[in-house]
Amino acid sequence: DVKVTQSSRYLVKRTGEKVFLECVQDMDHENMFWYRQDPGLGLRLIYFSYDVKMKEKGDIPEGYSVSREKKERFSLILESASTNQTSMYLCASSHDRVDTQYFGPGTRLTVL
Amino acid sequence: KQEVTQIPAALSVPEGENLVLNCSFTDSAIYNLQWFRQDPGKGLTSLLLIQSSQREQTSGRLNASLDKSSGRSTLYIAASQPGDSATYLCAPNPLSSNTGKLIFGQGTTLQVKP
Repeated sequence: DVKVTQSSRYLVKRTGEKVFLECVQDMDHENMFWYRQDPGLGLRLIYFSYDVKMKEKGDIPEGYSVSREKKERFSLILESASTNQTSMYLCASSHDRVDTQYFGPGTRLTVL
Repeated sequence: KQEVTQIPAALSVPEGENLVLNCSFTDSAIYNLQWFRQDPGKGLTSLLLIQSSQREQTSGRLNASLDKSSGRSTLYIAASQPGDSATYLCAPNPLSSNTGKLIFGQGTTLQVKP
């Protein structure tokens, strides 16, 4: 069975903290994605990775960075968390760019 | 720029009804279109992926159709059950993107009453 896991379901951080969100997939997928989901705005792509150490910016990369040192793991980093980064963060993976995307359970991040 | 609209935004039906969820998109140049289900506070579960060359795709009580030329897809749910209550999202995968980025609609929130 396909499995994408995220390190935390709920996370509360303070403004200015450095935040790491981890995503792991066990399907040997090349592509991994980070989206955020906000009411009224839907899901928006933050960053995408198509191979180890390769990354591309999505629609809203400002304030975020990513790391992919191993094929199965894709990390989203908030360098200095701000209240407008309070959101639901969803990780996804796929075999290739036209294949089914499988999503993790999401991390609900609150920045105080 | 691809825009996706899902109508209705919310739907409440009694158990056992057959129902149709609608998705329209402005750019017909797509690789495929994916339908997802999302339960409150949870991640997305993939339901069906329909390729641009296909007209329909079926999985159990679900049937998705695609009319690429008119920019429309429908998700048909047969004999609805309370467990089908969730938000349903459609997401085309545009040819213009080389990342596999999906463009999501706002979703249709379905409530099936026992």
